[in-house]
Amino acid sequence: GAVVSQHPSRVICKSGTSVKIECRSLDFQATTMFWYRQFPKQSLMLMATSNEGSKATYEQGVEKDKFLINHASLTLSTLTVTSAHPEDSSFYICSASAGDRYEQYFGPGTRLTVT
Amino acid sequence: ILNVEQSPQSLHVQEGDSTNFTCSFPSSNFYALHWYRWETAKSPEALFVMTLNGDEKKKGRISATLNTKEGYSYLYIKGSQPEDSATYLCAPMAAGNKLTFGGGTRVLVKP
Repeated sequence: GAVVSQHPSRVICKSGTSVKIECRSLDFQATTMFWYRQFPKQSLMLMATSNEGSKATYEQGVEKDKFLINHASLTLSTLTVTSAHPEDSSFYICSASAGDRYEQYFGPGTRLTVT
Repeated sequence: ILNVEQSPQSLHVQEGDSTNFTCSFPSSNFYALHWYRWETAKSPEALFVMTLNGDEKKKGRISATLNTKEGYSYLYIKGSQPEDSATYLCAPMAAGNKLTFGGGTRVLVKP
C-alpha cells in the first residue's frame, strides 16, 4: 500500500517552454501533497505544500507564478514549471500524506533538464 | 528553517558488519523525526517515524533511536547486506507536517 507515482520520470525541454509534472497517490487519498526539489549535491528542499481543493502554500524564495501547483483531486497534484530556464534544471519529487498521520509517501521523482 | 546534519556523508561497510550513523537537528520546533531509505531510481522508502524522547524503532536488521532533548537520532544496521546499500535520509517534521531533510548518509555494503 501507499504507492505514489510521478510522471514523467525524465523530461528535457527548451528554454522558455512550460513543463507539467504529475504526482498521483495510487491506493490512498492524499489530502496533502508536498513538492520538493534537489539540486546536485544538496538536500531535498521543500518547495510548496498543496492541500486538495485549496491554493498551495509556497516556501520562502519559491516563485508561485513560476511553479504552478494544482491539487484538484484527492489523488492528483500537478506541478507546472512555467517559462523554464536552464537554472530550473533539477530533480523534482513529490510526497503525499493522508493527512491524519505523520507518514509521507514519496514518488520516484522527475529529472528536468532545460536546454 | 531547521538545520539538519547527517554524518558521515558516506560510508563503506563490509558485508556482515554492523554500522550506525547520525542525524542531528535543533532540539526544539519539531514533533516527529522521519527516516527514509533511498535507492537510486526508486522512491524514498519510509523506515521510521519517531516522536518520543527515547523512542526506539526496529524493522528487520535496521533500528533507530531518538533523543529529542539533545537533538539527535541514530540509525543502526546490523549484519549489513549488499541490499542495504542506499542513501539514508533523516527529516524532522515541523508545523504543517513540513519535512526538512539532511544531506543523507550514503551506505555502500561490499560483498
